[in-house]
Amino acid sequence: RKEVEQDPGPFNVPEGATVAFNCTYSNSASQSFFWYRQDCRKEPKLLMSVYSSGNEDGRFTAQLNRASQYISLLIRDSKLSDSATYLCVVNPDTGFQKLVFGTGTRLLVSP
Amino acid sequence: EAGVAQSPRYKIIEKRQSVAFWCNPISGHATLYWYQQILGQGPKLLIQFQNNGVVDDSQLPKDRFSAERLKGVDSTLKIQPAKLEDSAVYLCASSLGLGGTQYFGPGTRLLVL
Repeated sequence: RKEVEQDPGPFNVPEGATVAFNCTYSNSASQSFFWYRQDCRKEPKLLMSVYSSGNEDGRFTAQLNRASQYISLLIRDSKLSDSATYLCVVNPDTGFQKLVFGTGTRLLVSP
Repeated sequence: EAGVAQSPRYKIIEKRQSVAFWCNPISGHATLYWYQQILGQGPKLLIQFQNNGVVDDSQLPKDRFSAERLKGVDSTLKIQPAKLEDSAVYLCASSLGLGGTQYFGPGTRLLVL
């Protein structure tokens, strides 16, 4: 089983739609969780951290379910500029930040 | 503030040749990472430095890959000899310290023919 699993997509949605991505992780002792965004042929960039209580940043909401080892990202009112690959990232280590990346979910927002 | 710099941006070599990549982290960042990203996959950590010491190199194929960060600032990653399956983007990232947010460079795209 992969450490971090995501549906690769692509998810094709119209502008203004709400879309949700899910991710599961295998290590129950994992300590911290993130969503990164990667545009085509660009480097990954941190989108947001994911906290146990859930957190929101504008149109983006991230949630963590430790019992089910499940992370989600919700994007409301999708924009064309949201088209990218969204990488689910888990830090399984308590000592330092060793990031394990999922394969990413590709999102295409169309006019 | 300048970001993470990497060079070259692209490299094409034949199998069994050697290649080296260079990374200059964000000024003041003590922790430096090298990742390999194969097409269609997420980045995979190869090696992590804290200043000039190796923190984690458990996923570095040490028979052909080597990396150094001699003065605790910039770093080089070398592949010798290269194989076809080494074709990938090699990403360098840095953070202020262990546990800090990682900032990625633009990457070096390697094609091994």
